[in-house]
Amino acid sequence: EVRLVQSGPEVKKPGESLKISCKASGYTFTNYWIGWVRQKPGKGLEWMGIIYPADSDTTYSPSFQGQVTMSTDKSITTAFLQWNSLKASDTAIYYCARHDGGLLEYWGQGTLVTVSS
Amino acid sequence: EIVMTQSPATLSVSPGERATLSCRASQNIGANLAWYQQQPGQSPRLLMYGASTRATGIPARFSGSGSGTEFTLTISSLQSEDLAVYYCQQYNDWPRWTFGQGTKVEIK
Repeated sequence: EVRLVQSGPEVKKPGESLKISCKASGYTFTNYWIGWVRQKPGKGLEWMGIIYPADSDTTYSPSFQGQVTMSTDKSITTAFLQWNSLKASDTAIYYCARHDGGLLEYWGQGTLVTVSS
Repeated sequence: EIVMTQSPATLSVSPGERATLSCRASQNIGANLAWYQQQPGQSPRLLMYGASTRATGIPARFSGSGSGTEFTLTISSLQSEDLAVYYCQQYNDWPRWTFGQGTKVEIK
C-alpha cells in the first residue's frame, strides 16, 4: 500500500526557519517524482514544485522559486520542504503527493503551518 | 503559464440530480486534464485523468469529457458524500502544472 505520512502541525514566528517532512512507503521511492502543493486557509490548491528522489532533480513553480527548498533523503525515503525565513503569508496546509506522469495519485494528509507573531 | 478557469464557483444540486462542472484552459492541453475531489477536512483525491478516465475506485456516476481547452466533469446522480470542492489540473505543460480555482458542490 502506497502511503505518504507527513509531519505534524507547526506554529512558528515570522523570520523563523522550518523543515517539514513527507515519509513515503509501499513503493520504490526513487522511481517517482514527489510534489508539494500549498492550500491557504479557505483557498484553492497551488502547485509548488517537484523533486525526483533518484537524483534530486528539482523544478519549482515560478511563484515559489527562491521562497522554499525541496530535498529528499533516499536512505529514509523521505521528502522535505523547508523555509529559511517564514512570513505570515506562508500560513497554509502543505501537501506532498506522488506524481505519476503529471498526475497526483497519492497524497499525504497535509501539514498545517501557522506563522504568527 | 497555462491558466485554468473553473465555473461555476459554487453549484447547489439536489440529491439524485445531475451536476455539471466546467473547466477551461487558456491554451490547448489536449486531453492532459485531471480532476480532483477534496471533501471537507480531507486531502484531495484523484478522480479522473486523461480528461475522461476514472481513477481506481471512483464510482461510475462520475464522468469526464472534453479536449483542447474545454472540459466537463459530470456527476450523474448526486449523493450526499459528493459534497466537496472539485479542482481541475492540467499536466500538459511539464512540469509546470496548474490547478483551477475549484468548484464547490453543495447539497441543496
